[in-house]
Amino acid sequence: DTGVSQDPRHKITKRGQNVTFRCDPISEHNRLYWYRQTLGQGPEFLTYFQNEAQLEKSRLLSDRFSAERPKGSFSTLEIQRTEQGDSAMYLCASSLVGLSYNEQFFGPGTRLTVL
Amino acid sequence: KNEVEQSPQNLTAQEGEFITINCSYSVGISALHWLQQHPGGGIVSLFMLSSGKKKHGRLIATINIQEKHSSLHITASHPRDSAVYICAAHLPGAQKLVFGQGTRLTINP
Repeated sequence: DTGVSQDPRHKITKRGQNVTFRCDPISEHNRLYWYRQTLGQGPEFLTYFQNEAQLEKSRLLSDRFSAERPKGSFSTLEIQRTEQGDSAMYLCASSLVGLSYNEQFFGPGTRLTVL
Repeated sequence: KNEVEQSPQNLTAQEGEFITINCSYSVGISALHWLQQHPGGGIVSLFMLSSGKKKHGRLIATINIQEKHSSLHITASHPRDSAVYICAAHLPGAQKLVFGQGTRLTINP
């Protein structure tokens, strides 16, 4: 499978714990995006990378959230001191600069439940 | 008010019916995406369009740039079409997508 992959698919954690999610983009894609989707809503933008550089961060990305893409390939999203409000689906997408209108390809998502 | 609004939020229909889902946006866009999300979360891109009309199988997407409106139509709907359909706007000069809240479609046999 050469699509976008995310790991884990599901994560249940207790409030106050730290969690880390991983996204592996399509191999030649140089842009990687993180989105968050709460129940019954459309996804909301969190941040995006071009290669290893984090170029934009949403105000939704509080100081408890950090994202990295150290070698310009896979990315990690860490949430520290999780809160119940962090419960959501975290979606990753990737794209290739130069493709028309920057078409984004989505992964299956990581569903986080904070108890 | 969200920059991208969809209607209806929920739609239930019988198998075979013609389905229309609407998307209106309040900002200039460079392209609009229609996405499908099945239970479990994975999102699949259906269409990306910046003008006119596109067709793929039983799915048709149209966009009117002047009216800032797009529609997704499904002909001869089938229970396997049951999913959440999301429109997303690609803003000029921006890399992120701005999403509508989604339309939950249920097709009953």
